[in-house]
Amino acid sequence: DQQVKQNSPSLSVQEGRISILNCDYTNSMFDYFLWYKKYPAEGPTFLISISSIKDKNEDGRFTVFLNKSAKHLSLHIVPSQPGDSAVYFCAASDPGAQKLVFGQGTRLTINP
Amino acid sequence: NAGVTQTPKFRVLKTGQSMTLLCAQDMNHEYMYWYRQDPGMGLRLIHYSVGEGTTAKGEVPDGYNVSRLKKQNFLLGLESAAPSQTSVYFCASGDRGEHQETQYFGPGTRLLVL
Repeated sequence: DQQVKQNSPSLSVQEGRISILNCDYTNSMFDYFLWYKKYPAEGPTFLISISSIKDKNEDGRFTVFLNKSAKHLSLHIVPSQPGDSAVYFCAASDPGAQKLVFGQGTRLTINP
Repeated sequence: NAGVTQTPKFRVLKTGQSMTLLCAQDMNHEYMYWYRQDPGMGLRLIHYSVGEGTTAKGEVPDGYNVSRLKKQNFLLGLESAAPSQTSVYFCASGDRGEHQETQYFGPGTRLLVL
């Protein structure tokens, strides 16, 4: 049973436009959500996170939105740059679990 | 400060052979994790450890064993490799704190089982 789902395996966006990556979850106990970015032949790196007590967190060009009622979060990248081309994973944790549950990943390609 | 390192980077095994993947971290983290990444499956947790001398099963533990004899090291063992264990393996470490469950990943080990 996939508790964290990224339903879009891939996304293609033009340079300078907005990229929106989506993630859905089923476990209402999740209280912390993260986005990781992964380049080929490298390990994932932490990008941005959000606590369930917030509905938005911003860090430069990256903003994560959380809609608890819909059990949905999204990552917005504005403006998109060629270096943003990577696989993006969303992840979630519940209190005391000491581990993360990851989605399947979305491959983002930024076209010049 | 090397962060999280993994050894080896790449390995080819024959079915039935055994091997150990080594993960080391120099950030004094309590928690360590082993994941596998397969196309379309994302990152799936194999085993994890919340402290020296402790281990716990993750989502896909069958066919793997782990040990955490030292805080900085987390070993993943395959006793009898199978083609289904062909994958990219990532180790990660982390601590509860300002970023709660933020994990820091190693560069990965690519394993091919023939």
